[in-house]
Amino acid sequence: GENVEQHPSTLSVQEGDSAVIKCTYSDSASNYFPWYKQELGKGPQLIIDIRSNVGEKKDQRIAVTLNKTAKHFSLHITETQPEDSAVYFCAANPNMLTFGGGTRLMVKP
Amino acid sequence: DTEVTQTPKHLVMGMTNKKSLKCEQHMGHRAMYWYKQKAKKPPELMFVYSYEKLSINESVPSRFSPECPNSSLLNLHLHALQPEDSALYLCASSQGPGLDSYEQYFGPGTRLTVT
Repeated sequence: GENVEQHPSTLSVQEGDSAVIKCTYSDSASNYFPWYKQELGKGPQLIIDIRSNVGEKKDQRIAVTLNKTAKHFSLHITETQPEDSAVYFCAANPNMLTFGGGTRLMVKP
Repeated sequence: DTEVTQTPKHLVMGMTNKKSLKCEQHMGHRAMYWYKQKAKKPPELMFVYSYEKLSINESVPSRFSPECPNSSLLNLHLHALQPEDSALYLCASSQGPGLDSYEQYFGPGTRLTVT
């Protein structure tokens, strides 16, 4: 089955800096890669996703890049704000979503 | 509207109790999911319903019993749980009909504590 590894497990940045979270996957058949943000006491919220026919996707301050050859994809958050503090999960299919272990992002004001 | 609702938000139950978790979506999605999430861990898939039929059961103990009364509702019936079953139970839905490659939207979860 699919195996998704996510790094780093914790990330602390200063407000206004950029944050990058990386994931690798094992199954070359995976074709959908979502990112979820989970705030304390809430369910995961889909913030951006990318499909295997696209190399990069951007939505305001967040972007995701995909390298199919290397089997890795990354989440980029620019101009970080304290409200970006949360746990972020990457995921990949090809059948059911397999989640990475999560990254706790802390943005210091 | 991408809202999935879950009730109750919190539930405390004894090991001999029977309780149910409820989930509802009005997005016209045809696939619904139950996940279990322990602290500081990613969600773990428990069950998948596609077109109101159970399509995946990830070897979940029989003390968890899912039910899909209609395309908008999903229940999880709980009986004789163990303290290690304490967790956040998440419901999600996706458009379908294929169970892959579609965005999954999660509810806020039910925080379950088994005493």
